[in-house]
Amino acid sequence: GAVVSQHPSWVICKSGTSVKIECRSLDFQATTMFWYRQFPKQSLMLMATSNEGSKATYEQGVEKDKFLINHASLTLSTLTVTSAHPEDSSFYICSASGPLNTEAFFGQGTRLTVV
Amino acid sequence: GENVEQHPSTLSVQEGDSAVIKCTYSDSASNYFPWYKQELGKGPQLIIDIRSNVGEKKDQRIAVTLNKTAKHFSLHITETQPEDSAVYFCAASFKAAGNKLTFGGGTRVLVKP
Repeated sequence: GAVVSQHPSWVICKSGTSVKIECRSLDFQATTMFWYRQFPKQSLMLMATSNEGSKATYEQGVEKDKFLINHASLTLSTLTVTSAHPEDSSFYICSASGPLNTEAFFGQGTRLTVV
Repeated sequence: GENVEQHPSTLSVQEGDSAVIKCTYSDSASNYFPWYKQELGKGPQLIIDIRSNVGEKKDQRIAVTLNKTAKHFSLHITETQPEDSAVYFCAASFKAAGNKLTFGGGTRVLVKP
C-alpha cells in the first residue's frame, strides 16, 4: 500500500507551548488528509478533514483555533496544537487518501505528552 | 451521521483457532468497509477491505463478509497466530463524503500460544 509518514513519533512539551505534527504522503498525491485523536484503549476520533488548498473542516466539538491544520501541498499536512495543556496529551494520527482511491493510509501516529 | 458498533470488545483465542469480529453500521449509504489492525504505539494498518458490491472477500487467513440488507460485516481470521494479537478496528465510509471513515470501538484480540 501507499506510505504515509508522520513526524515526530513522540514529543514532550511544556504547558502553554505549541507543537507541530507533520503528515506526509511519500508516494502518492493526497488530496484529502484526516487527523484523528486516540485516547488509551479507545477508538480513533476524527478531528478534522483537510483538502489540499482549502480550509479544514472540523468535527463538532473540536476547537479550530486550538488545533490548526494546514494542507498547503498534495503531500504535506500539518497539525499544530497551540497553547497545549496536559489534557491535550494523546495519540494523534493522520491518514491520507488520493483522488482515485477510497483507501485511507495511516501514519505511524504521534504520542504527545504535555507536562 | 454514520454509527458503527463493534463486538466483542475483547477476544481471547487459542493459537490455531479462528477469531470472528462483527460490526454493524447505521447509514445505508455507506459503501466501503475497511478493517484495520493496530499494534501498540502504532498507527492502524489496513488488512482487508470490502465494497458494497461484493459479499465476501478473502486474503489468505483473513476474510470479510458483508450483508448490506442487515447492515453488518464481519472479519474472520483463521489459524490464528500469536502475531495476530492486536487491536482490530472496523470502519465504514461513503466515498461521496470524502472517504471520511467512522470507526467501530475496536476489538482487542489476544492469541494464546
